[in-house]
Amino acid sequence: DIEMTQSPSTLSASVGDRVTITCRASQSISNWLAWYQQKPGKAPKLLIYKASRLESGVPSRFSGSGSGTEFTLTISSLQLDDFATYSCQQYNSYSPYTFGQGTKLEIK
Amino acid sequence: QVQLQESGPGLVKPSETLSLTCTVSGGSISSHYWSWIRQSPGKGLEWIGYIYYSGRTNYNPSLKSRVTISLETSRNQFSLRLTSVTAADTAVYYCARQLELQWFDPWGQGTLVTVSS
Repeated sequence: DIEMTQSPSTLSASVGDRVTITCRASQSISNWLAWYQQKPGKAPKLLIYKASRLESGVPSRFSGSGSGTEFTLTISSLQLDDFATYSCQQYNSYSPYTFGQGTKLEIK
Repeated sequence: QVQLQESGPGLVKPSETLSLTCTVSGGSISSHYWSWIRQSPGKGLEWIGYIYYSGRTNYNPSLKSRVTISLETSRNQFSLRLTSVTAADTAVYYCARQLELQWFDPWGQGTLVTVSS
């Protein structure tokens, strides 16, 4: 299995901050990576696919980058609505598809 | 727009079979791949398996011996069966559409299944 490791596990930040979450793959996955946002009691929401492509309707303050084994999700200026848990997912290998353990973004 | 909704028992006894159904609305199930994903309390997401509209399936090797995903095209539904459950199978179970065997979008709201006697 391809292991996905996110850092940090928890991130405290303030409205207006620029934050970056990192996702590392245990082997190269090219750019076959997606990012999701999840709020308590809600379904995960797709933010970014193919490492850097913004899903339709997602605010432009979200951006993704990286390839190979290291990827980042950046929020350029945090809004109250952005405090949530973020997870990465690789789809380079379908046996099985795997997710990071999640990064909880908290209000400082 | 496509929406998904999970349904099924919220409590299953150990050693019994967990059965869930996902109803797809706003679009036909006769295209795309359809997946089940779960999230145990305090843990990350775990892909369980997918079914294609043709009936082709692929399962997570860690669960393969206990999982069956099936399609009910006439009802625009697909289902999950997980046999011989234990407390480790307690989780929120999500259904999702998987685009071109890549990312998952959209997802259902999720349903909590607790395994307990």
